[in-house]
Amino acid sequence: EIVLTQSPGTLSLSPGERATLSCRASQIVGSNFLAWYRQKPGQAPRLLIYAASNRATGAPDRFTGSGSGADFTLTISRLEPEDFAVYYCHQYGSSPRTFGQGTRVDIK
Amino acid sequence: QVQLVQSGAEVKKPGASVKVSCKASGYTLTTYDINWVRQATGQGLEWMGWVNPDSGNTAYAQKFQGRVTMTTDTSISTAYMELSGLEYEDTAVYYCGRGWGSYDVWGQGTLVTVSS
Repeated sequence: EIVLTQSPGTLSLSPGERATLSCRASQIVGSNFLAWYRQKPGQAPRLLIYAASNRATGAPDRFTGSGSGADFTLTISRLEPEDFAVYYCHQYGSSPRTFGQGTRVDIK
Repeated sequence: QVQLVQSGAEVKKPGASVKVSCKASGYTLTTYDINWVRQATGQGLEWMGWVNPDSGNTAYAQKFQGRVTMTTDTSISTAYMELSGLEYEDTAVYYCGRGWGSYDVWGQGTLVTVSS
């Protein structure tokens, strides 16, 4: 099973600042099948990035995914109020599919 | 529009079973896999498995093998997840998600509470 470790656990930033979130896998993620989701309180997750660097339909262009192999990054260029939430990475390159433990982005 | 609508909250006793439904609209159910993911209160996301509505094929996380059954009824565009032998630790919000890999459409979630 691929274990995904996200860092940092919590990121405290101000609106308009840049956020950089990391997701490190315990093994190579096949075909770079790595997705990122944002989850606001009381809501289902929302897909932002798939296959490491492809923006999902409707995802704002301030979200950028990068990385390959076992090391991936989600960058939010300028934080909007709705971006203060929890972010999860998710690998679907091998079974079982797994999620990281999440990074919380909160308002400084 | 494309959406997945799940059944309502459930309260079950330890040892019982629960069956959660996920109704698809705005697209043909057989076009994509349906995955199930759960989230205990204040915790992260946990993948449970998927069902292919076209073939009926399934894959389950080892943790749930023998306790979970995922099915579909294409005549009513609905997927189901049944979990048996409920324990207190199964208290969580259960989500269905559409997709072969990443999940671009999610249900609103169903809270299952296991309580005596």
